[in-house]
Formats: sequence, structure tokens, C-alpha cells
Amino acid sequence: GESVGLHLPTLSVQEGDNSIINCAYSNSASDYFIWYKQESGKGPQFIIDIRSNMDKRQGQRVTVLLNKTVKHLSLQIAATQPGDSAVYFCAENPGDKIIFGKGTRLHILP
Amino acid sequence: ETGVTQTPRHLVMGMTNKKSLKCEQHLGHNAMYWYKQSAKKPLELMFVYNFKEQTENNSVPSRFSPECPNSSHLFLHLHTLQPEDSALYLCASSQDIGDRGAYEQYFGPGTRLTVT
Repeated sequence: GESVGLHLPTLSVQEGDNSIINCAYSNSASDYFIWYKQESGKGPQFIIDIRSNMDKRQGQRVTVLLNKTVKHLSLQIAATQPGDSAVYFCAENPGDKIIFGKGTRLHILP
Repeated sequence: ETGVTQTPRHLVMGMTNKKSLKCEQHLGHNAMYWYKQSAKKPLELMFVYNFKEQTENNSVPSRFSPECPNSSHLFLHLHTLQPEDSALYLCASSQDIGDRGAYEQYFGPGTRLTVT
């Protein structure tokens, strides 16, 4: 069935370290993937996306990696800051709609 | 901030009440969505409107009734809700391209609904 999941519901990272948030998807037809960030009291906000013809895409302090062989997506945040504290969702588009995962809550340790 | 606004931000209603949630997008998009966000569950797509036409209804109970008078406004009319309907209701918009469905969606801040 359709499912987009994350390996860990919660991740704690020391401020200044790099964060890696993982996501597994199940639909081989998906060719577009998105990472969203949701801060407390706000709606999800787009961070970065990647199409299936790529395996890596970089933004400002963020990198998304796509491994289609094992249907795995990851979000790397460099030099994690307190403002990165939020819930991060991956999402996939298998053709006609976007399917969201459950989310990983990122805690930043001082 | 994202170009999508929602009102009210918080709503408490009894099971016999009737209320409406409002969403407005200022991005010129042609598709709008209602999602339900409950604790520890993925975002649940409820309704999709494309060019004001409802294109998806994900088996949502009839106590939720959407309305899309134009491509910038979306309403969710609520009546005789149940306590389990308490959740964050998110509106989103996107520029839908052909038959590939939605790409990047822009979300509003949500309405926190509590049904007592």
C-alpha cells in the first residue's frame, strides 16, 4: 500500500553538529520528493525537493539524498542551529497527489 | 508569511454546533487542499479543489462539507462533529500542472479545532 515513513519519531542533536533525518518510501512510481519543516504553531513549510532523475540536491545548509534502489530519502542539515528545532516531514508524489510521512521531531541540545 | 491565511486560528465547538473554517491564498494558485493533522499520524488529505472543482474527497464523513467559491478561497463547514475530530486543520495551495497532480504545496498556519 501507499506509505511514507520515517525511521525515528524523535532525533536529538547537539547544536553545531550535523543532523541526518531519514525517510523510507514504498511507491516505486514516485518521481518527486519533498521535505517540509513544521515549527510549533505553524503549518508545514517547504525546505527542498528532488526529482527521481537526481540522487543529490543541495540548498542552503540542507542536502537531500535519494537512493531509489532501496527507496530511501534523507535530509542532512549542516551545523544545526536552535532555529532548526521542528518536525520534519518527507513527502512523495507517485503521480497524482502528494503523500506525507509521519514526521521526525528534531531536538537541538545546547 | 506563506501567502496562505486561515481563520480562525483556534476554535472550540460543541458537538451540536455549526462552524466554518476559512482559507485564503494570495499566490495565484489553481489548486487548494484541506488536510487533517492529528497527533502522531501523517497528514491526512481530506479534499482537493482544482480550478474550483472538487477533484478528490478522501472518504471524509459528511459532517465535513467543503466549499470553494473561487480559486482563492476555500471553506470547510463543520456540523455535528465528534470529539475525535479534534485536530489541526491545514489548508494548502499549489499550482497544479497537467495530470501530474500537485508539486510544491504552500500551507497556512492551520486552525486548531477542539470538539467538546
